[in-house]
Order: sequence, then C-alpha cells, then structure tokens
Amino acid sequence: GEDVEQSLFLSVREGDSSVINCTYTDSSSTYLYWYKQEPGAGLQLLTYIFSNMDMKQDQRLTVLLNKKDKHLSLRIADTQTGDSAIYFCAESSVRGSTLGRLYFGRGTQLTVWP
Amino acid sequence: DAGITQSPRYKITETGRQVTLMCHQTWSHSYMFWYRQDLGHGLRLIYYSAAADITDKGEVPDGYVVSRSKTENFPLTLESATRSQTSVYFCASRPGRTGELFFGEGSRLTVL
Repeated sequence: GEDVEQSLFLSVREGDSSVINCTYTDSSSTYLYWYKQEPGAGLQLLTYIFSNMDMKQDQRLTVLLNKKDKHLSLRIADTQTGDSAIYFCAESSVRGSTLGRLYFGRGTQLTVWP
Repeated sequence: DAGITQSPRYKITETGRQVTLMCHQTWSHSYMFWYRQDLGHGLRLIYYSAAADITDKGEVPDGYVVSRSKTENFPLTLESATRSQTSVYFCASRPGRTGELFFGEGSRLTVL
C-alpha cells in the first residue's frame, strides 16, 4: 500500500511555532489531510489541502505542499499547551481498487511545554 | 445523539473468545471503516464498507469479520480473539468516496 512517513516526536515551548513534516508516496493523491488525536479520543480533521495548491492557511495553521518532493508540512503558530496531541498525516488514494481509501502515517506526538 | 458511537469503549477478553465491537452512525453516511491503532504502526485499515451489504478488506483483515445489514451499523467481530488483536479500534464514516472521515471515540480491547 501507500507509505506515509512522519517523525514520531516533537517538543516545543509554548508560544513558539511547531512544524510537523510528512512525506508520502502517491504522487497522484488528490487530497492530503492532517488529523489531530487528543488523549483517549478519536481523530478529528484539522485541515486538508488539495493537490493543486501549494499552501493553505487557516488561522494558526499553515499547510505547505511540495508535490515535486512529495512533502507535506503543518505549521502551528503560537503553539499552546492545548495543542499537545498526536498529529496524523494522511493521503487519499486515487487508484481504482482503493479509491478514497486514506493511508495514515504513524503520527507525530507533539508536546508543548509551558 | 447525532454522530458516530462505538461500544463497548473498553473490553477485556480471553484468547479464543468471540468479541463483537459495535459501531453506529446517525448521519446515513454510505462509507464506514474499521481501523486499528497500535504503537509504532499508526492506523491500519481492517475492513470498510461502501454501502449496506457491500464490504471489502483493508490492509489487515485476517481474524476479523464484518457485516453491514443496515446503513447505520457496522459491527466488527473477532471470531477467536488472539493476543495480537489487543489494540484500540476506531470506527469511522464518510458520506461519499472522498472527503472528511468522522471517527468514533475508539474501543480499547485487551486479549489476555
């Protein structure tokens, strides 16, 4: 299947910016997603980017997409302790047999220190 | 309440027993999914369903059975539980083939 890679851990101080990186393999993916998982909860969609975009900004969140390098990043400005969670990158398959299936990375545990 | 709910939230069972995890959604979403989450593996797709009576295997289907007789329900059965099936199981749903996936709160299963 598709292979989505992320670093496993990131620690930042409150107020700093966080950058979570992700690489994916399917260059034909149309949508790329960032999901957030808080302790003991399911995943919630944080943001997504369509493959014909280079950047998407949504309040404190900035998503950058480099299609050539198949690299996706999520930047959280002014990181708060409430942002501590696991962040998952996911790509959506466009192959016929698996169309629409999401492939998730292993998740990046973000820890924000006060 | 509207949304997607899983039950039980926590379950301890023994090797060889049958266990069924329930998933219910109130949105009439066509697509439903079962994932398992394990340390070091992230989320892996077990089974999914495009509509009632239509199911298909994901990445790790062995040892699991699903059914979808009604649109709103998608139970996952472990016919003979093994220790390797100790995991957190997430059900998810989506209106169509693409778009946002909505997750349940998860069911934590421990097989002794």
